Amino acid sequence: DAMVIQNPRYQVTQFGKPVTLSCSQTLNHNVMYWYQQKSSQAPKLLFHYYDKDFNNEADTPDNFQSRRPNTSFCFLDIRSPGLGDAAMYLCATSREGAAQETQYFGPGTRLLVL
Amino acid sequence: GQQVMQIPQYQHVQEGEDFTTYCNSSTTLSNIQWYKQRPGGHPVFLIQLVKSGEVKKQKRLTFQFGEAKKNSSLHITATQTTDVGTYFCAGDRTDSSYKLIFGSGTRLLVRP
Repeated sequence: DAMVIQNPRYQVTQFGKPVTLSCSQTLNHNVMYWYQQKSSQAPKLLFHYYDKDFNNEADTPDNFQSRRPNTSFCFLDIRSPGLGDAAMYLCATSREGAAQETQYFGPGTRLLVL
Repeated sequence: GQQVMQIPQYQHVQEGEDFTTYCNSSTTLSNIQWYKQRPGGHPVFLIQLVKSGEVKKQKRLTFQFGEAKKNSSLHITATQTTDVGTYFCAGDRTDSSYKLIFGSGTRLLVRP
């Protein structure tokens, strides 16, 4: 079945130690998004790729970066995780960057920062 | 800035009771989408409404888009324990036609 896959499902890192989260999709969608979701809050968009074009949200900290080496894969790099970065990180895709597109979410990676 | 609010924040019901969550946008939306997130899970798309005044049904779930396209509601008839989760509405952002702004969510708990 076509889907959005995230690895790992749980990630533990140390304060200040770089960490990379991965997302892959078999939907062949053009757009891939990274969201941060903290407990009892709505998902917050960090950035997205429209094909190869990277689009950063204005309030996304510089500590967060992303790479999309090909259509299927997208990575979230956190250069120096702080305690406040502990959250669920959700990857999502949409077929096109067009109005009224549905987003398909992966299962998420829960990040714990010690 | 653009905001999408949902009420109530939490709702605890007895199994079999009805449930409604309301979504209000500060701006006119071209469409509203509803997602369900089970505890520990990820958001799953439920439905999209596009037309003013549109009403759609999925079994026990009824979705409505307001006439002014600034509000929406989700009504569940005769809740079941499988309905437990957080329900998010999401609208299109004013700065981008395809990026979503999520509502604050309503967490539904169902007592068996």
